[in-house]
Amino acid sequence: DSGVTQTPKHLITATGQRVTLRCSPRSGDLSVYWYQQSLDQGLQFLIHYYNGEERAKGNILERFSAQQFPDLHSELNLSSLELGDSALYFCASSVVAGSEAFFGQGTRLTVV
Amino acid sequence: DQQVKQNSPSLSVQEGRISILNCDYTNSMFDYFLWYKKYPAEGPTFLISISSIKDKNEDGRFTVFLNKSAKHLSLHIVPSQPGDSAVYFCAARGYGGSQGNLIFGKGTKLSVKP
Repeated sequence: DSGVTQTPKHLITATGQRVTLRCSPRSGDLSVYWYQQSLDQGLQFLIHYYNGEERAKGNILERFSAQQFPDLHSELNLSSLELGDSALYFCASSVVAGSEAFFGQGTRLTVV
Repeated sequence: DQQVKQNSPSLSVQEGRISILNCDYTNSMFDYFLWYKKYPAEGPTFLISISSIKDKNEDGRFTVFLNKSAKHLSLHIVPSQPGDSAVYFCAARGYGGSQGNLIFGKGTKLSVKP
C-alpha cells in the first residue's frame, strides 16, 4: 500500500460527459502529480501541484483541468469526453517536488 | 519528442540470471533518475534512484548504472526471480519550468522464466 488513494477505481461513462477523479496523497506529501497511461503507452505527465499551486503542465488537454485543495487532496476533471480519453489515470505524491513519487492504484476510465 | 526512451518493449530472462534493462535520455539537464516497477492492475512502485553526481547505486539485487556522457542508464537485477516479472519504467526528473515532475519512458516488460 503506497498510501496514495484514488477513487473511483473504475469508471464507465459516455462520450461528451464529464467526470471527476479524486486523489488523496500520502500523509505529509505536498506534491501531487497526475499521469495518463493509454494502451501501449508510457506514463504521460499531465500536471503537477505543490501545496495548492500549479507547478508544471505536461500534455494535458484543454478539456482537462485539475486542482489541489487546502487539505492537499486533488481532483482531475475531464470534460467533453471522447473515446480516446479511455485510459488509466494515476495520481502520485511526493514529499518535495522531484523526489521519489508514490503512486495510487489508478482509475480506469472507459468512455463508450 | 520523447525525452526518455526505453527501446526494448520486452525482455525475457531465465530465473537466476541477470536482467539488464536499458534507458536513454536526450536532455543533459536531467539531474535525477528513477526506476519503477509495475504489476498489472497496480500503480507503479518506486524501485531505485540515482543522482547525476553518481554513476552507480545499489540496493540488494538491484543496481542502477548511469553513464552521463552517453545519456544512458541501466538497471541490473541479479539474480532474477519470477516475482520480478513486471513492467519496468525509467523516469527522469524535469528541470526548469518542469522542475519536480517525472518524465517516464514507455516501459520494458520483463518476463523471468522459472
